[in-house]
Amino acid sequence: EPEVTQTPSHQVTQMGQEVILRCVPISNHLYFYWYRQILGQKVEFLVSFYNNEISEKSEIFDDQFSVERPDGSNFTLKIRSTKLEDSAMYFCASSYQTYATNFGPGTRLTVL
Amino acid sequence: SQQGEEDPQALSIQEGENATMNCSYKTSINNLQWYRQNSGRGLVHLILIRSNEREKHSGRLRVTLDTSKKSSSLLITASRAADTASYFCATEQIQGAQKLVFGQGTRLTINP
Repeated sequence: EPEVTQTPSHQVTQMGQEVILRCVPISNHLYFYWYRQILGQKVEFLVSFYNNEISEKSEIFDDQFSVERPDGSNFTLKIRSTKLEDSAMYFCASSYQTYATNFGPGTRLTVL
Repeated sequence: SQQGEEDPQALSIQEGENATMNCSYKTSINNLQWYRQNSGRGLVHLILIRSNEREKHSGRLRVTLDTSKKSSSLLITASRAADTASYFCATEQIQGAQKLVFGQGTRLTINP
């Protein structure tokens, strides 16, 4: 069964550095998402992406964040200048329609 | 309270017993989904119930949805130690149908 994959599984970075989290969604899916989960808290929506543009974003998704689908398979989340509070598990997800979302295993981002 | 509130926050039962977790939400939804998350790992999609459905089964899982009360329940029958995990409900709202709104989750512990 096809799965969403994410790399790296764990990323450690210094505050102020840029990070890029990578995802390979399921190949025939049309909708792509990023969510995050701060340790011990609930999963929060960041952004959805459809037809090569952002379709919805949350208040968390400020100018420090950007997403890109650089080719036909990858979907990336960039954080330009990381802050301590960006430390979280970041989940990529994809779906063929706007429900029945498939989540990846997550990238744990630690900002020191 | 926030969309997607689960109760109880934590539940501990003996192996073989049934576990029931509840979820309440505030706004009108297209569907409600339940996910499982093992400690520090990714989200596993368990079951989706649409707003026009009242009950759905999948193996040892039974989900009910009461749109008049804006609530759902997840029943796991004949629990096993491997069911130990956190369980989250997530709603796809009619407004903003390209994102899932997660609850805080129920931490389920199955004691052997």
